[in-house]
Amino acid sequence: DAKTTQPPSMDCAEGRAANLPCNHSTISGNEYVYWYRQIHSQGPQYIIHGLKNNETNEMASLIITEDRKSSTLILPHATLRDTAVYYCIVRVDLGNQFYFGTGTSLTVIP
Amino acid sequence: DAGVIQSPRHEVTEMGQEVTLRCKPISGHDYLFWYRQTMMRGLELLIYFNNNVPIDDSGMPEDRFSAKMPNASFSTLKIQPSEPRDSAVYFCASSFKRGFRGLAGKNEQFFGPGTRLTVL
Repeated sequence: DAKTTQPPSMDCAEGRAANLPCNHSTISGNEYVYWYRQIHSQGPQYIIHGLKNNETNEMASLIITEDRKSSTLILPHATLRDTAVYYCIVRVDLGNQFYFGTGTSLTVIP
Repeated sequence: DAGVIQSPRHEVTEMGQEVTLRCKPISGHDYLFWYRQTMMRGLELLIYFNNNVPIDDSGMPEDRFSAKMPNASFSTLKIQPSEPRDSAVYFCASSFKRGFRGLAGKNEQFFGPGTRLTVL
């Protein structure tokens, strides 16, 4: 699976959009981009995933560049409860393993 | 559904003792994963099962670790003998193929609350 690179930490003001970047320059054509988050002391939680097109659900939006070498997770209106570690993962869908990197620790500031 | 259930939530033991962690996946899920999380190494995949059969155990650190899945609703991760460096939070997760959208389905993994293991 392609490796990902994320900034170790970010801050965001409450109510503002949080934009979390991820680089995956070695991604293959059949590899998906997944985002999970882990709130302190809990198990990771699925947020969103995509292949080529931008995706949106009730939690977030995922923007994938045209060359697929990077992506951005957008939390449109960050709340204090969004403070967590966010993991960007790329994997082949027919495989079932996830390999979590170090993630980005997002702190939402009141 | 109650979600993935793990027990115990906390375990404190002495070096050399046997430790058994337990997991009940979500009913109907056919994949089960064991992860270990430490500050130094982050979240590591140890082993995963499909339909109760171990598929990939390459993440199991050494022979002291073993995992079983005797049926679709129960799995164990055993450490014998335990060592202080095994101290970590151990997560169990389950998933199933949700069908296909284009090339692939969602394959979301649902994680349990974890077991915090401390080996003294």
